[in-house]
Amino acid sequence: KAGVTQTPRYLIKTRGQQVTLSCSPISGHRSVSWYQQTPGQGLQFLFEYFSETQRNKGNFPGRFSGRQFSNSRSEMNVSTLELGDSALYLCASSSLSGTVQETQYFGPGTRLLVL
Amino acid sequence: QQQVKQSPQSLIVQKGGIPIINCAYENTAFDYFPWYQQFPGKGPALLIAIRPDVSEKKEGRFTISFNKSAKQFSLHIMDSQPGDSATYFCAASKDTDKLIFGTGTRLQVFP
Repeated sequence: KAGVTQTPRYLIKTRGQQVTLSCSPISGHRSVSWYQQTPGQGLQFLFEYFSETQRNKGNFPGRFSGRQFSNSRSEMNVSTLELGDSALYLCASSSLSGTVQETQYFGPGTRLLVL
Repeated sequence: QQQVKQSPQSLIVQKGGIPIINCAYENTAFDYFPWYQQFPGKGPALLIAIRPDVSEKKEGRFTISFNKSAKQFSLHIMDSQPGDSATYFCAASKDTDKLIFGTGTRLQVFP
């Protein structure tokens, strides 16, 4: 099975711009979670989508949004970029059935640099 | 109550040593405790996970020890190798809720 893929891998933007990142989960996985990783804050949960519905949300401002399509692919969008948004954005997918935690499989991430 | 505290921040051992990484949590509702390994330029990968109904779990050279009363769990790496040099994250979650990650431990294993 192919792993989780994220595009693009690297991105440079300037303050005030917006950006859209894409994630394709492992085939058959219905849950997609997004995390922000920075040296200072570590791995922080952004949001999780399951069957096109946002099921969990972290403590990030409304500038961070996401969506999931019927094929489970997901996108996250950050509007009005700030310097502090520079980070590695990780996507993870899992099959998630019922209430049992399933292993989350992470993609390689998109490294975003905001200048 | 949602935090997971991880220590140490960095660890240096010689090949064959047994590095130990510790994590502590507050939320007694957490019922899933995974450890992830991350190499530079890669996303984290699940190493081993435990649930609170057992006190220890081994998978190859990796062992999780879990102390429910103390709300602590730790990762032991037996016979560590230079290839184990990576950043290790503990995490915790409840049901299908989000994973709460520790701050990470950078492990370096020297030959």
